[in-house]
Amino acid sequence: AQTVTQSQPEMSVQEAETVTLSCTYDTSESDYYLFWYKQPPSRQMILVIRQEAYKQQNATENRFSVNFQKAAKSFSLKISDSQLGDAAMYFCAYRSGTGGGADGLTFGKGTHLIIQP
Amino acid sequence: ETGVTQTPRHLVMGMTNKKSLKCEQHLGHNAMYWYKQSAKKPLELMFVYNFKEQTENNSVPSRFSPECPNSSHLFLHLHTLQPEDSALYLCASSQVAGGPGVRDTQYFGPGTRLTVL
Repeated sequence: AQTVTQSQPEMSVQEAETVTLSCTYDTSESDYYLFWYKQPPSRQMILVIRQEAYKQQNATENRFSVNFQKAAKSFSLKISDSQLGDAAMYFCAYRSGTGGGADGLTFGKGTHLIIQP
Repeated sequence: ETGVTQTPRHLVMGMTNKKSLKCEQHLGHNAMYWYKQSAKKPLELMFVYNFKEQTENNSVPSRFSPECPNSSHLFLHLHTLQPEDSALYLCASSQVAGGPGVRDTQYFGPGTRLTVL
């Protein structure tokens, strides 16, 4: 079974600074997908960024980028120019790529990101 | 974000009650999921439906009974629940058919906060 580990229960960053959230995972599969989701106090789970394991290029979405190290099974999220609206719980998630298509996500425990004004 | 809606948003029930949670997706997806988010555990996958057929039951107790009458609607019927079932129940949907960039991303509803007394 796959596992996802987020070792930072809480992180704090000054507004406009850069912060990196860590995620490691364990799998024996070679084909899979990785995601970062954001859950603000409203509890709505929002997709931040996704990465296909077969792609070597790191995914980027505006101020959000990942550092995907497949051999090390590491998938960190970098948030540049942090904004107050970035404050939320951030979850790293894994999805197998070998199933028929409808596979559930395996989530880490989350990192609570605090933005200091 | 109104692609996936869930009702009710909050529910309080006694252990002998029977209630149902409803999820509706407006994204044209064909796979739907139930997840449970407890205070002290990572998000847990409960059920997966692919083209209305249940493809995964993640060892969920029988007091939770899912129903998927069509690709747009998903229900979770609840009966004889325990206080430890109190949690946020999240519904998600995804597109299974199509290329990898389309099918692997799950979109979540706002959740139903369930309290069992």
